[in-house]
Amino acid sequence: AQKVTQAQTEISVVEKEDVTLDCVYETRDTTYYLFWYKQPPSGELVFLIRRNSFDEQNEISGRYSWNFQKSTSSFNFTITASQVVDSAVYFCALRTGFQKLVFGTGTRLLVSP
Amino acid sequence: EAQVTQNPRYLITVTGKKLTVTCSQNMNHEYMSWYRQDPGLGLRQIYYSMNVEVTDKGDVPEGYKVSRKEKRNFPLILESPSPNQTSLYFCASSPRGGNSYEQYFGPGTRLTVT
Repeated sequence: AQKVTQAQTEISVVEKEDVTLDCVYETRDTTYYLFWYKQPPSGELVFLIRRNSFDEQNEISGRYSWNFQKSTSSFNFTITASQVVDSAVYFCALRTGFQKLVFGTGTRLLVSP
Repeated sequence: EAQVTQNPRYLITVTGKKLTVTCSQNMNHEYMSWYRQDPGLGLRQIYYSMNVEVTDKGDVPEGYKVSRKEKRNFPLILESPSPNQTSLYFCASSPRGGNSYEQYFGPGTRLTVT
């Protein structure tokens, strides 16, 4: 069975702090994809990144970076120099067959000025 | 503009009154899906459709129906809504059967059943 665990329910930081959101996944499939989505207070889901199981390269996009480690089944997300606009709920998700996305329970990030 | 639309965005209804939430995409995507989002549970899949006239249950299908008569539309039907179906609902689509493509999500429908 597929499972995604986001153990951090809520994180509070002050602007300009770095913050890492943890994601641990479980699957027996050798081919799978991992995703991060952002849900701002307005409620929509915003796609951030996709990573396939054969590509363990870390990725950086501006202040965002992702660390994929198959050895620990983790796909962690780091925001550098956080900003108030980063306040949102962040979901990690896993997809294997039939395009079904299995979501974690989300991490609420609060960035205060 | 490529998008997934849902209507209505907000709905308050009473127990037992049938309702339909519409979902439409203009990207010619084969795959469409419905999710519900509840506090502490993340998003859970209700139903999905691989193509026209092909639908299947997700993790939480009880109390819901879907149909896929046209490629662009995938309505979610609640024949007899109950308060435990109060939730935030998302429709999603993606281009093909492969699992690499990210899903494009609609804006969400917040449903309250009293």
